[in-house]
Amino acid sequence: EVQLVESGGGLVQPGGSLRLSCAASGFTVTSSYMSWVRQAPGKGLEWVSLIYTGGSTHYADSVRGRFTISRDNSKNTLYLQMNSLRPEDTAIYYCARDQSHNARATRQLDYWGQGTLVTVSS
Amino acid sequence: DIVMTQTPLYSPVTLGQPASVSCRSSQSLVHSDGNTYLSWLQQRPGQPPRLLIYKISNRFSGVPDRFSGSGAGTDFTLKISRVEVEDVGVYYCMQGTQFPFYTFGQGTKLEIK
Repeated sequence: EVQLVESGGGLVQPGGSLRLSCAASGFTVTSSYMSWVRQAPGKGLEWVSLIYTGGSTHYADSVRGRFTISRDNSKNTLYLQMNSLRPEDTAIYYCARDQSHNARATRQLDYWGQGTLVTVSS
Repeated sequence: DIVMTQTPLYSPVTLGQPASVSCRSSQSLVHSDGNTYLSWLQQRPGQPPRLLIYKISNRFSGVPDRFSGSGAGTDFTLKISRVEVEDVGVYYCMQGTQFPFYTFGQGTKLEIK
């Protein structure tokens, strides 16, 4: 059974840092395209970042240069290092899987974690 | 970026009656490989999003057959044939054609009258 469990959220001051984790089970993170998607309180969904099976990374303009996505193959875990946090980064952060099929992304997010809340406030 | 626009943003429906949500993209979602990467997601209150439909009309594993998707190019529709209590929540369309830069519609809130 595919499962994704996020952790690491919390309250942080503007300008601070936080590292989110997403522990995967039922599949290996290196075999899928893994994303972080966030949802501000009462708002819609916003894609944040993705790591390819080969390790390349992409970011939304709103976080590029401040956030870094990575993974630990031995722990089967995805990470999001968030630096220089701003109040507008306040959101629930979800990790989500885009399964690889024939070495290509299926381009759909088929499994999501429960999310972890990040609050940026003084 | 491809902008996804959903209508309506709020949909009160009667139990047992049909419901539909429309989604329009700012440019065609037909990929050079011939596929159209338009998905529908459901988010129940207090829950994470869940994949319902992928590539316009394919139901994901475990999704009831009262959910169906249709459309082409830039215009897409999610239909629920007979709304049940468990269908309450927010529905999002999502494009994957411009992978990895997924974009989502604003969401349509489905409530029971």
